[in-house]
Amino acid sequence: DIQMTQSPSSLSASVGDRVTIACRASQGITNNLAWYQHKAGKPPMLLISSASTLQSGVPSRFSGSGSGADFILTISSLQPEDVATYYCQKHGAAPHTFGPGTKLEI
Amino acid sequence: EVQVVESGGKLVQPGRSLRLSCSASGFTFAAYPVGWFRQAPGQGLEWIGFISSRSQGETTEYAASVKGRFTISRDDSRSVAYLQMNSLQTEDTAVYYCAAPYYYASGLTAWGQGTLVTVSS
Repeated sequence: DIQMTQSPSSLSASVGDRVTIACRASQGITNNLAWYQHKAGKPPMLLISSASTLQSGVPSRFSGSGSGADFILTISSLQPEDVATYYCQKHGAAPHTFGPGTKLEI
Repeated sequence: EVQVVESGGKLVQPGRSLRLSCSASGFTFAAYPVGWFRQAPGQGLEWIGFISSRSQGETTEYAASVKGRFTISRDDSRSVAYLQMNSLQTEDTAVYYCAAPYYYASGLTAWGQGTLVTVSS
């Protein structure tokens, strides 16, 4: 099965900073990559699918890029409400494995 | 608006069985797959599996960690999906979520608030 890794595992940044989170698949997965935001006590929220398709209602400061095995989630200007753990997930062919998560703090 | 609600979580003894329900509305339930996930205490998100639509044969896929113990099914007449969990182990303790429609290209995917399953003697 394809394994997903993320880096860093945690990061602290300031309001207004540009933040990037990396996700790597152990094999190429074309663009079958989703990004989730998970805040404590709430259900996960799908931010991006197919590597770069922003979901309706998600702020435009979030963007995704990459294809093959390497992907990036970018927050262009960090806001206080962005504190959460971010996960990448392989979709397409099963299993739909998640990465281990990146905890983002202000 | 898509709404998803999980139910059925409770305290259960190791080795016992439990069935969770996922009720969804706001879209054509029968036309889409439904996915199940969980998050154990202090751990990350884990994909459990999904069931495709009837038109796709109601095929199911499972994570290796639950294959053979967990079964996903659906009742389109009630817009409900189920997660049957057998031979529960302490490591199955988690908040269980479902997502529907579990088809990201739909632009409609929503998750429920989750239901807590605690496996303990």
